[in-house]
Amino acid sequence: EVVLTQSPGTLSLSPGERATLSCRASQSVHSLSLTWYQQKSGQAPRLLIYGTSIRATGIPDRFSGSGSGTDFTLTISRLEPEDFAVYYCQQYGNSPPWTFGQGTKVEI
Amino acid sequence: QVQLQESGPGLVKPSETLSLTCTVSGGSINNYYWSWIRQPPGKGLEWVGYIYYTGSTNYNPSLNGRATTALDTSKNQFSLKLRSVTAADTAVYYCARWTTVMTTFDHWGQGTLVTVSS
Repeated sequence: EVVLTQSPGTLSLSPGERATLSCRASQSVHSLSLTWYQQKSGQAPRLLIYGTSIRATGIPDRFSGSGSGTDFTLTISRLEPEDFAVYYCQQYGNSPPWTFGQGTKVEI
Repeated sequence: QVQLQESGPGLVKPSETLSLTCTVSGGSINNYYWSWIRQPPGKGLEWVGYIYYTGSTNYNPSLNGRATTALDTSKNQFSLKLRSVTAADTAVYYCARWTTVMTTFDHWGQGTLVTVSS
């Protein structure tokens, strides 16, 4: 099983600041198989980035993803008030289980 | 616009079977993987399992064989049964669509809370 470790657990920032979220895999992950989701309180996760760096439909360009191998990053260039949420990375491989990181909370 | 909606009992007794249904509207069941993902209160996401439109299935080994999924293509629905539940199975259960084109969960239901308690 591929374990995804996200850091930091909580990121305390202000609107307008840059957020850098990390997702580290316990073994190498194909770049096509790394996804980021955003989850707001009481809501289902929302697809942000797939294939490591491809923004989903309707996602603003202040969100970007990068990385390869075991280290992946989600960057929010300038935080807007609606960006304060929990972010999860997720991977799939040739064999289940498909796994999620434990999440990073971005708070004001 | 594809929409998914979970339904089922919100309370299940310990040792009994949790049963949930996901209804898919605005799109076909064909050519996708249909998954269940759960989230215990205040915790992270855990993939439970999937069923492909052909009927093939796969489950998280952490569930020790307790989960089964099924498709009803005539109703555009798929379901989850989780046997011998305990309090540790208390969670919000989401159904979600996996697309092989984007290799991701691109549509999610709103989630339904299932509490295991006597």
